[in-house]
Amino acid sequence: KQEVTQIPAALSVPEGENLVLNCSFTDSAIYNLQWFRQDPGKGLTSLLLIQSSQREQTSGRLNASLDKSSGRSTLYIAASQPGDSATYLCAGGFNQAGTALIFGKGTTLSVSS
Amino acid sequence: DVKVTQSSRYLVKRTGEKVFLECVQDMDHENMFWYRQDPGLGLRLIYFSYDVKMKEKGDIPEGYSVSREKKERFSLILESASTNQTSMYLCASSLRFEQFFGPGTRLTVL
Repeated sequence: KQEVTQIPAALSVPEGENLVLNCSFTDSAIYNLQWFRQDPGKGLTSLLLIQSSQREQTSGRLNASLDKSSGRSTLYIAASQPGDSATYLCAGGFNQAGTALIFGKGTTLSVSS
Repeated sequence: DVKVTQSSRYLVKRTGEKVFLECVQDMDHENMFWYRQDPGLGLRLIYFSYDVKMKEKGDIPEGYSVSREKKERFSLILESASTNQTSMYLCASSLRFEQFFGPGTRLTVL
């Protein structure tokens, strides 16, 4: 059974720090890995999508990597800001049709000013 | 810009009522999904649809049904609401791999 795990469940950092969020998955036959942000009581906002043929994707201060052989993805946030405080979820896509997304339970990030 | 909308942000219903949750996307996406999100359990897939009138059960379809009569609209139906269906319901759509989510509906069943 495919599983996606995010550790730690919560993380607190001071403003300005660079940080890495971790995501691991059990099935190396992954088609894609998507990172989301969720603010309290809201829906999910797509941040980055990495296809299995790619190693990383970048958007602004965010950089996501995918290592299929080790079963890991990381989301790097540079120069963190209080506005980055949210829950970050990763989700692995395990079929070609894109209809089987398995979610981790998220890491709740708190950035203090 | 990608847009997925859900009919209500907050909904309060009574046990036994029939409940309709509506989702509309304006991106001409083939796939649409309904999830529920609960503390400690994460997101769980209820149903998805890969075309008009086509549907597939997800991980937790019991107590739910769905309808997709038009490509842009996907409805989740709780035939007889129960208190254990109190949850955050999230709709999403995708063309291939990237899923885009709506704002969510917080449903409370009393």
